[in-house]
Amino acid sequence: DTVLTQSPALAVSLGQRVTISCRASKSVSTYMHWYQQKSGQQPKLLIYSASNLESGVPSRFSGSGSGTDFTLTIDPVEADDIANYYCQQSNELPLTFGSGTKLEIK
Amino acid sequence: EVQLVESGGGLVQPGRSMKLSCAASGFTFNNYDMAWVCQAPKKGLEWVATISYDGSSTYYRDSVKGRFTISRDNAKSTLYLQMDSLRSEDTATYYCARQDYYSGDVYFDYWGQGVMVTVSS
Repeated sequence: DTVLTQSPALAVSLGQRVTISCRASKSVSTYMHWYQQKSGQQPKLLIYSASNLESGVPSRFSGSGSGTDFTLTIDPVEADDIANYYCQQSNELPLTFGSGTKLEIK
Repeated sequence: EVQLVESGGGLVQPGRSMKLSCAASGFTFNNYDMAWVCQAPKKGLEWVATISYDGSSTYYRDSVKGRFTISRDNAKSTLYLQMDSLRSEDTATYYCARQDYYSGDVYFDYWGQGVMVTVSS
């Protein structure tokens, strides 16, 4: 299985830029996606295929990377962005998710 | 507006069965592959199973193979997950998700609100 590793938590000040990383245990090309999950809600797609912004998602969100290293960037961070962020690979079955990064405000 | 509404969860004893449903609306259901994704309490997301748009192909994670069955009724725009021989480790919120494609890639673009399944005696 492809294991995706994320930092457990990040603290950032409002208005600043934050990058959330995801490292895959083997190359997944650009078959990487990012989801936001707010407390008590279902996940929401933010970025698909590494760098494509899902329709309706603010342009403050962007994604980059290929192979094994990927990043989700939020610039600038707003209070509404407090959530858990998950990466997910679709290069092979089983589809796997990272353990999530909790974004906190300083 | 795309809507996915799960139902059928609750408390069930270990070894027993439960069937989840997901009613879809707002899109042409039989054009999309569909999936179930679960999330144990305070834990991360875990893909469970996927079914092709016409029901001809199904895929499962190893831990549920032989115990869970994903199916669909395109006439009713409904997705199902039959869960047999349930274990305590199956306790989770189960989400129904639509799969979309981009240049051969697949991702989950819409999710239901989730239904809780608790396996306990």
